[in-house]
Amino acid sequence: DAGITQSPRHKVTETGTPVTLRCHQTENHRYMYWYRQDPGHGLRLIHYSYGVKDTDKGEVSDGYSVSRSKTEDFLLTLESATSSQTSVYFCAIREVGGQGPQHFGDGTRLSIL
Amino acid sequence: RKEVEQDPGPFNVPEGATVAFNCTYSNSASQSFFWYRQDCRKEPKLLMSVYSSGNEDGRFTAQLNRASQYISLLIRDSKLSDSATYLCVVNGNAGNMLTFGGGTRLMVKP
Repeated sequence: DAGITQSPRHKVTETGTPVTLRCHQTENHRYMYWYRQDPGHGLRLIHYSYGVKDTDKGEVSDGYSVSRSKTEDFLLTLESATSSQTSVYFCAIREVGGQGPQHFGDGTRLSIL
Repeated sequence: RKEVEQDPGPFNVPEGATVAFNCTYSNSASQSFFWYRQDCRKEPKLLMSVYSSGNEDGRFTAQLNRASQYISLLIRDSKLSDSATYLCVVNGNAGNMLTFGGGTRLMVKP
């Protein structure tokens, strides 16, 4: 158990509404990541964080923003959700040193109608 | 060319069979390599790290070939419970980011 909790686990919402997904960790890891996973594309990095208030863009960051005001929480926000953002979202943390494996949360299934 | 490439499968094998997956990567500077397992509708879980000397964990053996830039996973004596998608993972251009292959699906049949 990597001590990662994602919330909500499932969400259905409408196009144009704001959505915030939360990732909470209990192990004080510096690095945190948000991915989306879609059929035919595998896991793609959206944003990541390397410390409080330190974030950077990943491969598919358009339409997403993130915030990290505390070590334990990494929030992903869709300011105005679109149907193309329907996906499964995974949060991950990485162990000390940055070269180790990542460990994933259970995922959030987001449907945008 | 994708950074990490895998045969998507599916590989259909009988229980007890030995099956091997390969994965190729494009970044010759990569230093960290992993195999993850992902069950349907679940999160990816670390199966094993891959070391230059090769490593074994029970029925699973991982090998790294830096010269040819490929990683392999061998599963011996396949079990029904081994049915899953296996993801090849390599650290990317930035040392703290990982690049995931698309996964190879394994189905073990009775």
